Amino acid sequence: NAGVTQTPKFQVLKTGQSMTLQCAQDMNHNSMYWYRQDPGMGLRLIYYSASEGTTDKGEVPNGYNVSRLNKREFSLRLESAAPSQTSVYFCASSASGTSGSRNEQFFGPGTRLTVL
Amino acid sequence: GESVGLHLPTLSVQEGDNSIINCAYSNSASDYFIWYKQESGKGPQFIIDIRSNMDKRQGQRVTVLLNKTVKHLSLQIAATQPGDSAVYFCAENILGYSTLTFGKGTMLLVSP
Repeated sequence: NAGVTQTPKFQVLKTGQSMTLQCAQDMNHNSMYWYRQDPGMGLRLIYYSASEGTTDKGEVPNGYNVSRLNKREFSLRLESAAPSQTSVYFCASSASGTSGSRNEQFFGPGTRLTVL
Repeated sequence: GESVGLHLPTLSVQEGDNSIINCAYSNSASDYFIWYKQESGKGPQFIIDIRSNMDKRQGQRVTVLLNKTVKHLSLQIAATQPGDSAVYFCAENILGYSTLTFGKGTMLLVSP
């Protein structure tokens, strides 16, 4: 039981390049999330998917797109990377939406992205 | 690891001391709260949670206290160990909603 996995672990991009961050969970969770974490800023929600087939904007969605490919997988795409998107990106999942579930989120190990 | 802790409030304690980390939450409608621990280079890890119908909950070496009147949450760590050194985040949620709102975090430094 791997929990939440993310690939890649590290990535360096040039301004204007595109890339997709992958996330998968094996806990049969309904909800999945993408956050970015910058020094001293805490975790800021980019997008989330409350259930398979739905996605919603979070606090900082500009410059990103997401796809909930199936119940297990939720990807984050940067179409044209900018230096301001240099950050650590975390994917998370929760059982939220399941009757009686808590809203505790389980996090992946993160992707460290640098945009030059 | 990445500099998650840059500019964060920092609590420095000696090994064996008790630590208290505080958090003020923002939404009076929040009814579920979580404490997370984040070690350098890793993702946040669940420590303990509490629902708003409780004012105290204990785990192994950790206790969470909730004061809804002043919208304040605290995490107490007993007999703090060097392995407890990390950034600690509180998070709030309204049950029925999928998202959590995270605090900015507090760095705990434990010296031997």
